[in-house]
Amino acid sequence: DQQVKQNSPSLSVQEGRISILNCDYTNSMFDYFLWYKKYPAEGPTFLISISSIKDKNEDGRFTVFLNKSAKHLSLHIVPSQPGDSAVYFCAATWDTGGFKTIFGAGTRLFVKA
Amino acid sequence: ETGVTQTPRHLVMGMTNKKSLKCEQHLGHNAMYWYKQSAKKPLELMFVYSLEERVENNSVPSRFSPECPNSSHLFLHLHTLQPEDSALYLCASSQEGEDYGYTFGSGTRLTVV
Repeated sequence: DQQVKQNSPSLSVQEGRISILNCDYTNSMFDYFLWYKKYPAEGPTFLISISSIKDKNEDGRFTVFLNKSAKHLSLHIVPSQPGDSAVYFCAATWDTGGFKTIFGAGTRLFVKA
Repeated sequence: ETGVTQTPRHLVMGMTNKKSLKCEQHLGHNAMYWYKQSAKKPLELMFVYSLEERVENNSVPSRFSPECPNSSHLFLHLHTLQPEDSALYLCASSQEGEDYGYTFGSGTRLTVV
């Protein structure tokens, strides 16, 4: 049962344009969401997060949007740069008195120069 | 269940105990990772093993001791932990040189009392 889904395995975008990476979740108990970026042969690094009490969080070129009614979040990168080419993981977590994190399968972003 | 299996799922231990976390991957990957995730915080990379050799150790206290006997198994030996070590410990695996297909286990919820 995939509670966090990234339905696009890959995405190709021209440099300077917007990249939109999508993530859907099924568990309404999730209350905190994170995006991680992973370069080849490295572990994922934290990029940006959002709490369920917000619908938008912005950090430089990166913005995460949360639509709780649709159980959907997205990561926008504007403008996209070749160095953004990586795999992006969406993760969702909730506190059950201990908490649990579920990761999506990842989306590979190619930014073409 | 994913291709990365972690046991136990939950562990409660006293500060003087010695315990071990186990991770097993069934994906034929040759790199394995230990991560720590505290409540509402991003992942902290602890150890990286590539081809059964430790390639990264991010200033982790010596009370955490990893072991990678072969490419399919990874252990994290714990001794004299502190309450602040209570967290979710995630194992992941990947194929060296490939960025996609990074797979996480479900984690071990550790509580130190």
